[in-house]
Formats: sequence, C-alpha cells, structure tokens
Amino acid sequence: GAVVSQHPSWVICKSGTSVKIECRSLDFQATTMFWYRQFPKQSLMLMATSNEGSKATYEQGVEKDKFLINHASLTLSTLTVTSAHPEDSSFYICSASRSLQETQYFGPGTRLLVL
Amino acid sequence: AQKITQTQPGMFVQEKEAVTLDCTYDTSDPSYGLFWYKQPSSGEMIFLIYQGSYDQQNATEGRYSLNFQKARKSANLVISASQLGDSAMYFCAMREFNTGNQFYFGTGTSLTVIP
Repeated sequence: GAVVSQHPSWVICKSGTSVKIECRSLDFQATTMFWYRQFPKQSLMLMATSNEGSKATYEQGVEKDKFLINHASLTLSTLTVTSAHPEDSSFYICSASRSLQETQYFGPGTRLLVL
Repeated sequence: AQKITQTQPGMFVQEKEAVTLDCTYDTSDPSYGLFWYKQPSSGEMIFLIYQGSYDQQNATEGRYSLNFQKARKSANLVISASQLGDSAMYFCAMREFNTGNQFYFGTGTSLTVIP
C-alpha cells in the first residue's frame, strides 16, 4: 500500500509554455501533499505544502504565481509551472502523507527540461 | 541553524560489510519523527526507516537499523551486510509534530558499495 504516482515522468517543452504535473495517492487519502524540487547532486528543496481544499503554503522564495498548486481532492494535487523558462528545468518530486506521525510517500518524480 | 546535518558527502563500503551513515538534528520540539530515505540513480525516494522521539527502542527494518541517541540528537543509519544495490544517495529527515507540517532534509550521503 501507500503508492503515489506522478505524471508525466519526463517532459520537454519550449520556453514560455506551461506544464502541469499531477500527483496522485493511489491507495490512500492524503491529508497533506508536498512538492519538492531537486537539482543534480543536491538535497530536496521544499517548494510548497498543500492540504486538500485549502490554499498551498509556499516556502520563502518560491513564486506562487509561477508555480501554481491545486489540491482538488484527498488523492490529487497538481503543480503547474507557468510560462516555463530554462532555469525552471529540474527534477520535481511530490509526496503525500496520510497522517502527521507517519512518513511521506514519494512519487517517482518528473524531469522537466525547458528549451 | 541547520535542522538536519549529514556530515559525510560520500562513503565507500565493501560488499557484505556494515556501514554507518551519520545524521544529527536540531529541534526544541519534544515530539518529532526521524526518517531515512534512499534515492537510487533513478531518482525515486524510497522510505527506509522511522524513529519516533518517544520510542524507547532503536528502530530496525531488515538490514537497516537506526542508532538513536536522543541526548546527542543523533540518528545514524546502520546498513548491515551491504549489497551492491545499496549504492545510492541517503537522506535523513525530521518532522516536528507540534511545530509544523513539513519535513526537513539533510544534504545527503552518497554511498558506494564496492564489490
């Protein structure tokens, strides 16, 4: 149990386009979902925390208008990178948590390349 | 101050030997959880082991054990009988149950198992 899917796994897009990444908890309801960004050989950088039905909480330095997060249900959260630029190229990982005193379960990640 | 510190950027271990990956943490919250994750080259984050701050015994999961020293604020991961498939990045993380919702990650340790 506790499987999280993420789609797409790879995306290549032109500069200026928007990209939507979906994160789904397949067999459990997630009270909280997290979105991370990871640069090569670095740790995960938390971008935002989202709870179902409420606005996402963004970390300092993360532009909320650039990275739109929608947590429509207890099993689905989406991250939209609006007007993507080459500097947005990165590995984006989502995770979902069932309860506070439990691990987060990670999706497989999405590699975004903006040309 | 860093919430999670991993001081070993890279480690090598001979196959079948045991290895300890260091992790120290900083918190004033009496209720917290400590987690270890493995990230192979594929990028997926894999949950390994969890230790709660009130747990009396060190956590164990198969070949993984957590050497929890509360007074020293350390939560080292011990991998016994290393296998070639253990070569990966390892991240230590903490969640403070009273203070917030997010997970704090260390910078990671790259483990290479030598045949």
